[in-house]
Amino acid sequence: EDKVVQSPLSLVVHEGDTVTLNCSYEVTNFRSLLWYKQEKKAPTFLFMLTSSGIEKKSGRLSSILDKKELFSILNITATQTGDSAVYLCAPDQAQKLVFGQGTRLTINP
Amino acid sequence: DVKVTQSSRYLVKRTGEKVFLECVQDMDHENMFWYRQDPGLGLRLIYFSYDVKMKEKGDIPEGYSVSREKKERFSLILESASTNQTSMYLCASSLGSGFRTEAFFGQGTRLTVV
Repeated sequence: EDKVVQSPLSLVVHEGDTVTLNCSYEVTNFRSLLWYKQEKKAPTFLFMLTSSGIEKKSGRLSSILDKKELFSILNITATQTGDSAVYLCAPDQAQKLVFGQGTRLTINP
Repeated sequence: DVKVTQSSRYLVKRTGEKVFLECVQDMDHENMFWYRQDPGLGLRLIYFSYDVKMKEKGDIPEGYSVSREKKERFSLILESASTNQTSMYLCASSLGSGFRTEAFFGQGTRLTVV
């Protein structure tokens, strides 16, 4: 059975801290892994990772994939209150996304 | 910008009613999806479609059906609504070619069945 596990499920930090969010997966027909940020409404796309070991960066966010160990991490440095959200990882299983439960990140000022 | 529009933000329906949730995308995407999102369970796939008139069951299709008569529109149907179908429903679409599987989401429909 396909499985996506994110950890931690919830995280509360202070503004300026660095956080690491984890995603482990076991899915058949794996093609890529996507990260999304969900505030109050629709999830919005952050990254798509297709190759192992190649870091993708967007401002203070970065992510990397390990296809051998079947996990990905999302790092956020110098966190801001606007980073408060649920972060979702989703392996792409032949064009169908399989979502984890999400990590709820809260940034306190 | 890709736009995925869901017809209602909030709905309240009675047990046993037939419920239609509509989703329209404006970017000629081939793939369309319906998910439901519940606390602690993440997003779970109900049905998806790779083409017009084509549908595939996702992980939790029981109690639901779908219709895709036109490429831009994907409808989710609750044949006889039940209280355990109270949830947030999210529609998504993606391009559908090669590795371009980034999915774009609608704003969601919060359905309450009483």
